[in-house]
Amino acid sequence: DGGITQSPKYLFRKEGQNVTLSCEQNLNHDAMYWYRQDPGQGLRLIYYSQIVNDFQKGDIAEGYSVSREKKESFPLTVTSAQKNPTAFYLCASSTSMSRDSPVSYGYTFGSGTRLTVV
Amino acid sequence: AQRVTQPEKLLSVFKGAPVELKCNYSYSGSPELFWYVQYSRQRLQLLLRHISRESIKGFTADLNKGETSFHLKKPFAQEEDSAMYYCALNNCREAGKSTFGDGTTLTVKP
Repeated sequence: DGGITQSPKYLFRKEGQNVTLSCEQNLNHDAMYWYRQDPGQGLRLIYYSQIVNDFQKGDIAEGYSVSREKKESFPLTVTSAQKNPTAFYLCASSTSMSRDSPVSYGYTFGSGTRLTVV
Repeated sequence: AQRVTQPEKLLSVFKGAPVELKCNYSYSGSPELFWYVQYSRQRLQLLLRHISRESIKGFTADLNKGETSFHLKKPFAQEEDSAMYYCALNNCREAGKSTFGDGTTLTVKP
């Protein structure tokens, strides 16, 4: 089951603690994304990155941070500033859109990490 | 701002009946729309793209720019179609980031 791997599958965080969720892909995709999935609310974009060493905030970036030091990896840190971190986190990747390649082929998703605050 | 609306959270049909999952969008540019599906205990996966005009697992979806809709249809539902379905709108101007609807859970009863 190649493609995009998220770990761990389940993660428990104590109050005031930072935790990092891993996302690795071997699809040679330029673009990577982090979404949060809450019951009844669909997917909301946290951060995204189109190329290495560059990333942008999504719609709900507060309390989160990311890095993109390698093309294959896009880890997400949930900081203590995130007031309601309990959720299901999905990482996705896609080919990067450009003027020469303006069409999107859609996302490939990881299997997700379920984060719970204890 | 772009927005995707899936008006039905739950949809239930009998096996062999037609099914239509509704999706409406708002977007100022030329839209790229997708349907994703999540079967039980499986990861979210791409079902089809409007631009490819394909039929996948018997499902089709036609982009109607006049009604700003991208409804997913299948003439004869099967039990294995039971899943969560998400409609998504791709923002071509912003690194291909997608906005998702809230999803529709489809149950196909025997």
